[in-house]
Amino acid sequence: EVQLLESGGGLVQPGGSLRLSCAASGFTFSSYAMSWVRQAPGKGLEWVSAISGSGGSTYYADSVKGRFTISRDNSKNTLYLQMNSLRAEDTAVYYCAKDADIAVAGTVGYFDYWGQGTLVTVSS
Amino acid sequence: SYELTQPPSVSVSPGQTARITCSGDALPKQYAYWYQQKPGQAPVLVIYKDSERPSGIPERFSGSSSGTTVTLTISGVQAEDEADYYCQSADSSGTYRVVFGGGTKLTVL
Repeated sequence: EVQLLESGGGLVQPGGSLRLSCAASGFTFSSYAMSWVRQAPGKGLEWVSAISGSGGSTYYADSVKGRFTISRDNSKNTLYLQMNSLRAEDTAVYYCAKDADIAVAGTVGYFDYWGQGTLVTVSS
Repeated sequence: SYELTQPPSVSVSPGQTARITCSGDALPKQYAYWYQQKPGQAPVLVIYKDSERPSGIPERFSGSSSGTTVTLTISGVQAEDEADYYCQSADSSGTYRVVFGGGTKLTVL
């Protein structure tokens, strides 16, 4: 059974940093690209970042480019999102999501499993 | 920038057919995907590659594509189908990114 378990969310002041983790199990983690998708309170889904199965390719939304860094440790079956220079508008539930298929390169860009999310609140 | 446009809300009575549209200029060249999200839950993939249905998704969910518009159709709507629905695609015209529509709240009257 595929499981994705996010952790690391919490309350942080504007300008602060936070690192999210997503522990994966139930599939060959290194074979699949992974993404982070966020959802601000009462709002829609917003894709944040993606990383290929090998970790060699990364992709970012314009809204987080230069502030967030996605990475993965395939030996630990864990996905990360390092978030720096946080802003109030980054407040959201952050989901990790598994690519639905194995990509030849990069990511297939759609998701068949999602974690339950971790809440990040940026406020003074 | 590339956008996907959905109606904010759709309402139907139980047993009727609900149709939720999603429009975007790149949809003739890129597949569309649909997710269902119920309150407090993570999204669930209900349609992929415009019209394919994942295993475990009821047959009443179907997808279609025509030009710059894709449509999620739910036939014989049930109360349990009340949820937010999001279309999603990809934009590879410049730097690759995934794009979601704004979401449609389906209300079962």
